[in-house]
Amino acid sequence: EAQVTQNPRYLITVTGKKLTVTCSQNMNHEYMSWYRQDPGLGLRQIYYSMNVEVTDKGDVPEGYKVSRKEKRNFPLILESPSPNQTSLYFCASSWGRRNSPLHFGNGTRLTVT
Amino acid sequence: GQQVMQIPQYQHVQEGEDFTTYCNSSTTLSNIQWYKQRPGGHPVFLIQLVKSGEVKKQKRLTFQFGEAKKNSSLHITATQTTDVGTYFCAGHTGNQFYFGTGTSLTVIP
Repeated sequence: EAQVTQNPRYLITVTGKKLTVTCSQNMNHEYMSWYRQDPGLGLRQIYYSMNVEVTDKGDVPEGYKVSRKEKRNFPLILESPSPNQTSLYFCASSWGRRNSPLHFGNGTRLTVT
Repeated sequence: GQQVMQIPQYQHVQEGEDFTTYCNSSTTLSNIQWYKQRPGGHPVFLIQLVKSGEVKKQKRLTFQFGEAKKNSSLHITATQTTDVGTYFCAGHTGNQFYFGTGTSLTVIP
């Protein structure tokens, strides 16, 4: 089954404790991206990647890191999480062509206390 | 920077009434996509519009892309309880997607 898999679904952590949210897709998609969803603000792009070893900042990259060592994986890293990073996070992938729809993972709800 | 606004933020309708959400971009878009997110779920792709003035229909849903490619709308005729969720537009410029703020639709049986 074609899918984007995110883990974990829920994560509660404390300020400053490094964490990684994993994202994997099995559709051989070139384009992968991370979004955060906050009430009233919609989905805001954090980082995106057009292909292996190519990553670019989205609208809200501060406090986040990503890597794209393999085509299928695109982990999101929070080196020192803060409470303002409490949010619902989605990973998405697509073929990368202009008219390609995004396929989303099930989301990760992160709480930083 | 790029901004995509959607109105209204919330809409409550009686089952059978029509519903419309509007999407406006501060800049010209290459294309626009629409997504639906059910409560507790993830966004799911509905449709894409590419051409200026384009209109597409999916059963009770009608999607329009403005002539200037800066605005779009989604109209649902005779809403049903299965239409409940948040509808997002997403504009594509370069390699980035800019999502609208979303319209949350509640359908009252």
